[in-house]
Amino acid sequence: SQQGEEDPQALSIQEGENATMNCSYKTSINNLQWYRQNSGRGLVHLILIRSNEREKHSGRLRVTLDTSKKSSSLLITASRAADTASYFCATDAGGTSYGKLTFGQGTILTVHP
Amino acid sequence: GAGVSQSPSNKVTEKGKDVELRCDPISGHTALYWYRQSLGQGLEFLIYFQGNSAPDKSGLPSDRFSAERTGGSVSTLTIQRTQQEDSAVYLCASSRGSSETQYFGPGTRLLVL
Repeated sequence: SQQGEEDPQALSIQEGENATMNCSYKTSINNLQWYRQNSGRGLVHLILIRSNEREKHSGRLRVTLDTSKKSSSLLITASRAADTASYFCATDAGGTSYGKLTFGQGTILTVHP
Repeated sequence: GAGVSQSPSNKVTEKGKDVELRCDPISGHTALYWYRQSLGQGLEFLIYFQGNSAPDKSGLPSDRFSAERTGGSVSTLTIQRTQQEDSAVYLCASSRGSSETQYFGPGTRLLVL
């Protein structure tokens, strides 16, 4: 079963605009990871944020984590057509689930040139 | 390159046949994971190897699925008596240790006719 739920399921924007994707989960976590997938290809790791962290940045990417609300967001600033892909959040619940990732259904992002 | 590699990239088989999927993790990574991505179920965890510990097989959908990791490196996922519902992309990932960033291979697309 999928722990994460992502919102929106699909997002269509113009180049230069910002894109925000949200992820909610149900159980406590050890860390949360965001991945990108271009159609038919493998997953590319974007950012890992641990449960004791609230925000991380990597280039044009900003991830926030609110463990009290069991939610995370991924912000892509100044989007480019090359950012068009599916984006997934994945949670590592720790404990007996240590290391296993549970993925959300993903957000399909389309950036129009 | 030094990434995770998988073979074959595509596999078409007939219902009832056995298939073997191979994963070469990143050198030095002690943890190796198998996931499955299908239209109906999204991304699902299958099995997890960590060092010399017994593998976590909790995600395997049936006893037709098995996996080995030889010498702490290469892993093989075997599906016996394949069924049409086994059709999916099988993804392998590796990480330096548990609850670290997981790096994914390009996947094996399996089609069972």
